Amino acid sequence: QVHLQESGPGLVKPSETLSLTCTVSGDSISRYYWNWIRQPPGKGLEWIGYIYDSGATNYNPSLKSRVIISEDTSKNQFSLKLSSVTTADTAVYYCARAPYGGFDYWGQGTLVTVSS
Amino acid sequence: EIVLTQSPATLSLSPGERATLSCRASQSVSRYLAWYQQKPGQAPRLLIYDASKRATGIPARFSGSGSGTDFTLAISSLEPEDFAVYFCQHRGNWFTFGPGTKVDIK
Repeated sequence: QVHLQESGPGLVKPSETLSLTCTVSGDSISRYYWNWIRQPPGKGLEWIGYIYDSGATNYNPSLKSRVIISEDTSKNQFSLKLSSVTTADTAVYYCARAPYGGFDYWGQGTLVTVSS
Repeated sequence: EIVLTQSPATLSLSPGERATLSCRASQSVSRYLAWYQQKPGQAPRLLIYDASKRATGIPARFSGSGSGTDFTLAISSLEPEDFAVYFCQHRGNWFTFGPGTKVDIK
């Protein structure tokens, strides 16, 4: 069974960098697409980006200038860094696997609040 | 950029009724469309991918259809656990989601 678990600070100050890690068990991150998706409270889903094929990445154009997704294959983890955050970045952040066109396994999500 | 729109925004139905949800793409997405169900406080759950293929463990009462720009998710007979928000999603150069349809109890 594939399991994903997000971890990281739940509170980030404006203008700082949000950092989250997703730990994967039951599958190797060396295959498929591994994604970050977020959902502001009470709103819809926004895809942030993915990493695949041993380090290649693709990002949402609207966030591309502020996002870095990286991986640590030795720990079977991938990470998200979102810089220069504002209150608009407050959201539940999910990591998810996409073996094809759909996200079939998701983490439980972690709420990150941007506030001073 | 492909934009997905969903209708209606809210669908009020009773258990046992049939639900029909629509997702429209701003340009053709072939059959590269997925559907998700989300309940409060939970991550979304994949229901349908490639427009009509049910994901593992999804009951047969859920079905997807369509191609090009117009897609439908049907729930043949609503169970109490089906009242939730449903999102459509496309994968092109990147992933995009529709705004969602809330199915609530009439």
